[in-house]
Amino acid sequence: KAGVTQTPRYLIKTRGQQVTLSCSPISGHRSVSWYQQTPGQGLQFLFEYFSETQRNKGNFPGRFSGRQFSNSRSEMNVSTLELGDSALYLCASSLDRHFYEQYFGPGTRLTVT
Amino acid sequence: KNEVEQSPQNLTAQEGEFITINCSYSVGISALHWLQQHPGGGIVSLFMLSSGKKKHGRLIATINIQEKHSSLHITASHPRDSAVYICAVTPTGNQFYFGTGTSLTVIP
Repeated sequence: KAGVTQTPRYLIKTRGQQVTLSCSPISGHRSVSWYQQTPGQGLQFLFEYFSETQRNKGNFPGRFSGRQFSNSRSEMNVSTLELGDSALYLCASSLDRHFYEQYFGPGTRLTVT
Repeated sequence: KNEVEQSPQNLTAQEGEFITINCSYSVGISALHWLQQHPGGGIVSLFMLSSGKKKHGRLIATINIQEKHSSLHITASHPRDSAVYICAVTPTGNQFYFGTGTSLTVIP
């Protein structure tokens, strides 16, 4: 079975631009979660999607948004990029929402200049 | 305030040593996870616990729900165990709170 894939793997953007990151979960997995990892803040939960609905959201501004499609693929969008948004963005998928192991993708490294 | 505290932050061990990493949390949880992250970023889920103890090979994870504490043990450590180990808890669904991680270096 193919693992979780994320595209693109690396991205350089300028302050004020917007960016869309994509995550394809493992086949059959219905839950997709997104995380931000920075050297200063570590890993932080962004949001969780299940059945095309956002189920949980972390403490991030409204510039961060996401969606999930009927095939469970997910995208996250960051508008009006700031320098502090430079981070590794990870997504993870699991079969369902509770008591299921999470499988992480390789991440998208976003650099904002 | 951090919902999840890990110790130690950094750990250096000689090959073959027994290693313990500790995790304390302050929220009610449905599960606790131990994750491993190698340089380059890839994260692997090692354990998911809601009670008791689990063992995979040389790795053992325990949790005490009453004391809100978990430990990850590595027996007969090996240089390939060098990585960052992250404790995470899920109060509900797949919403995670993460510890800051323990950076482990095992010297041959």
